[in-house]
Amino acid sequence: DAKTTQPPSMDCAEGRAANLPCNHSTISGNEYVYWYRQIHSQGPQYIIHGLKNNETNEMASLIITEDRKSSTLILPHATLRDTAVYYCIVRIINSGGSNYKLTFGKGTLLTVNP
Amino acid sequence: DAGITQSPRYKITETGRQVTLMCHQTWSHSYMFWYRQDLGHGLRLIYYSAAADITDKGEVPDGYVVSRSKTENFPLTLESATRSQTSVYFCASEPTSGSYQETQYFGPGTRLLVL
Repeated sequence: DAKTTQPPSMDCAEGRAANLPCNHSTISGNEYVYWYRQIHSQGPQYIIHGLKNNETNEMASLIITEDRKSSTLILPHATLRDTAVYYCIVRIINSGGSNYKLTFGKGTLLTVNP
Repeated sequence: DAGITQSPRYKITETGRQVTLMCHQTWSHSYMFWYRQDLGHGLRLIYYSAAADITDKGEVPDGYVVSRSKTENFPLTLESATRSQTSVYFCASEPTSGSYQETQYFGPGTRLLVL
C-alpha cells in the first residue's frame, strides 16, 4: 500500500506555478521523498527527491516540511507539456532487496490549461 | 543510443502462447526491474534483479519468468500467456552507487494484449 496521500487531480494555468501537495505522515527517518511523473502512455519519469532539506533542480523544487510529514512539488512555470500524473513516493535508499521497489499510488493528475 | 529500451513496443498474442519482452540498458546499472501497470492498480513490481544471475520476486510474479545472463539485458517471459496478463509492462534500471543520486529510470513500456 502506498504510504502517501495526494489529491486526485489539480488544474493549473500555463505559465503559472503548479504546487502539488503530498502527505506522508508515517514517513520514517531513513525514508526519502521521491517524485515521478507519467505523461500519458509513457514510462514514469524521475523528477526530484529529498530527505529533509529543500531541493531544486532544472525541472522542479521540492519543499519538505520540518516534521517531514508532508511535502510540495513546485513546477515554477507550468507548460502544457507538464500535463501528467505526478506520483509522490517514500522509499529507503541503499538498503537492498525489495526496498528498491517503488510503490506507486494513484498520484495527482495535473492538467495545465492554456 | 544510451538509455533503456524495450521491445517490442506493442504485442498481440493468444492465450497459452509464450511471450518474451526484452529490456536493454546501456548504463551498466546493477539493478533492473519489471513492473506492470493496469487501470486501478498503478504500477506493481513483478521481478527485480540485483546483478547478473541474481533475481528475486516482486509483488506479482506468478506466471512470469526472468533471467539475467548479462548486466545490460533483463528479459521477461510469460510462459503461457493469460488474458489477465494483458497490461502495459515497464522495465527500469538503477545504479547501486550508494550515493544520494540513486533513482530508477524507466523504459518506454510494452503494451501487451492477450486474446
